[in-house]
Amino acid sequence: GQQVMQIPQYQHVQEGEDFTTYCNSSTTLSNIQWYKQRPGGHPVFLIQLVKSGEVKKQKRLTFQFGEAKKNSSLHITATQTTDVGTYFCAGPNDYKLSFGAGTTVTVRA
Amino acid sequence: NAGVTQTPKFQVLKTGQSMTLQCAQDMNHNSMYWYRQDPGMGLRLIYYSASEGTTDKGEVPNGYNVSRLNKREFSLRLESAAPSQTSVYFCASRRRLAGGPPSTQYFGPGTRLLVL
Repeated sequence: GQQVMQIPQYQHVQEGEDFTTYCNSSTTLSNIQWYKQRPGGHPVFLIQLVKSGEVKKQKRLTFQFGEAKKNSSLHITATQTTDVGTYFCAGPNDYKLSFGAGTTVTVRA
Repeated sequence: NAGVTQTPKFQVLKTGQSMTLQCAQDMNHNSMYWYRQDPGMGLRLIYYSASEGTTDKGEVPNGYNVSRLNKREFSLRLESAAPSQTSVYFCASRRRLAGGPPSTQYFGPGTRLLVL
């Protein structure tokens, strides 16, 4: 079955630094979604990518969908304490979404 | 719109007790889902309901049952709770139509369950 993998599992970042988290699927995806879960909260939708090679930005967050539509990345510039949380990618799987295990981000002030 | 609501927010059970987690959505979504989240394990799908009247097993269904009561409500039942079911449970819903465009999944606030 379809598997979605994310790396790294944990990311410890100095405030102000940049980092990237990666998502890889075992199958070609029609689209990919990203969610963010703050500590103690629930996952909240961030963005959806549909086209091959698509790049979308949300302020300091840049999301990219691979040319082969099997991988995606999230790049955060100038990390802030508000970026703390777990970021999940998810690919469609019939009526379900296959979620990656998430990248948990902590920030050192 | 309240979105997706879950009750209760917290629950402590003794081994062997039963309980039902309630979930409701007011967004007229077709599909509803139950996940559990354990440290380092991400979101694992327990059961889902693609549409009213249907339910299917996810990746970790053992020890659980579900009921899609109507389009709005999807409940999760633990018949005989075990310590291994200590977890955070999230309900979610999505407007997923066969052949339709991609759609966002909305999560409820979660139920934190401790089984002693």
